[in-house]
Amino acid sequence: TQLLEQSPQFLSIQEGENLTVYCNSSSVFSSLQWYRQEPGEGPVLLVTVVTGGEVKKLKRLTFQFGDARKDSSLHITAAQPGDTGLYLCAGVDNYGQNFVFGPGTRLSVLP
Amino acid sequence: NAGVMQNPRHLVRRRGQEARLRCSPMKGHSHVYWYRQLPEEGLKFMVYLQKENIIDESGMPKERFSAEFPKEGPSILRIQQVVRGDSAAYFCASSSPGPPINYGYTFGSGTRLTVV
Repeated sequence: TQLLEQSPQFLSIQEGENLTVYCNSSSVFSSLQWYRQEPGEGPVLLVTVVTGGEVKKLKRLTFQFGDARKDSSLHITAAQPGDTGLYLCAGVDNYGQNFVFGPGTRLSVLP
Repeated sequence: NAGVMQNPRHLVRRRGQEARLRCSPMKGHSHVYWYRQLPEEGLKFMVYLQKENIIDESGMPKERFSAEFPKEGPSILRIQQVVRGDSAAYFCASSSPGPPINYGYTFGSGTRLTVV
């Protein structure tokens, strides 16, 4: 069974600070995705990374896929209260059909 | 989350009753996935369906749970004889035909089931 771990589990920071959250596995994934979930809503896809070493930027968010395709990170610059939410990483399972989700990092950005 | 419609948004059932959760995928999507999320936890895969076919139900509990995606109409996740441990948020996601490796899912807003 492929498992994804995320750290930290909880993170509370002040507006304007930078932060990095991590997604790690002992398994290789063909791709990894990051989602953000707000309370009472479903997850919303932020990005997909496919190539080992790939870096993608989405405004203040920077996503990196590890060279060995076993891990990924999400860096947020100058966090804003609107960034508050549960950040989930997900990788395609061995059969290429379903996504395995990590437990998430719950981020709170205080004004 | 626009496009994947789940209803009801909230469902309260007494122990022993049946719960029926509905999911209409995005237009043009023929693949449906159901996930369960317990409070303060991530999403756990339950079942993957295409029209009239169950492709992977490896995450479904062996008893009381069933899912279908008929030729016409929404996908249904059915939980018989609910117990308190079934209380959770149930999310449906849909994708275009073919493996979702490179483009991910579109999720609905979920159904929050509370068993009292």
